[in-house]
Amino acid sequence: DQQVKQNSPSLSVQEGRISILNCDYTNSMFDYFLWYKKYPAEGPTFLISISSIKDKNEDGRFTVFLNKSAKHLSLHIVPSQPGDSAVYFCAASADFGNEKLTFGTGTRLTIIP
Amino acid sequence: GAVVSQHPSRVICKSGTSVKIECRSLDFQATTMFWYRQFPKQSLMLMATSNEGSKATYEQGVEKDKFLINHASLTLSTLTVTSAHPEDSSFYICSVPPWTSGVGYNEQFFGPGTRLTVL
Repeated sequence: DQQVKQNSPSLSVQEGRISILNCDYTNSMFDYFLWYKKYPAEGPTFLISISSIKDKNEDGRFTVFLNKSAKHLSLHIVPSQPGDSAVYFCAASADFGNEKLTFGTGTRLTIIP
Repeated sequence: GAVVSQHPSRVICKSGTSVKIECRSLDFQATTMFWYRQFPKQSLMLMATSNEGSKATYEQGVEKDKFLINHASLTLSTLTVTSAHPEDSSFYICSVPPWTSGVGYNEQFFGPGTRLTVL
């Protein structure tokens, strides 16, 4: 039972354009969401997060949007840079501060120079 | 951010042997660490919570007798895959949760992972 889903296994975007990565979840108990970035043969690194009391959180080129009614979140990267090429995982937890994370399957983002 | 190391980064072993993977928190003491497993093209799945000074807590479906976890000190947790079989081949990653690092919420710091291949 995949509670966190990333339906696009891969995405290619031109350098300088906006990258939009999507994530859907089914568990209505999830109230905190995170995006991680992962390079090959490395562990994931934290990128940005959002709690369920917000619908948007912005950090530099990265913005995460949350639509609770649709159980959907998205990560926007603008402008996209070649160094953004990586696998992006969304993750969710059912209790703010709870350490247990449920991960999506990941989206491989490729930025085309 | 916190630095978490894992050793070895890659291991190949024969079926039936046991393999030990170490996870070290280099910057701070960690009373709790987590072990995840990632199969190809799948998400990271939490296997167990490693607790310093007490038994590990395993997620449903994870065999505790097969995946032995020892949190030997405040900076070291080990995962031993006993009697490994080809289906245990996977990418094993440890992480340290935020409250033990004093930085942020839910921002777990992950190790670089260990690629296990069982022949």
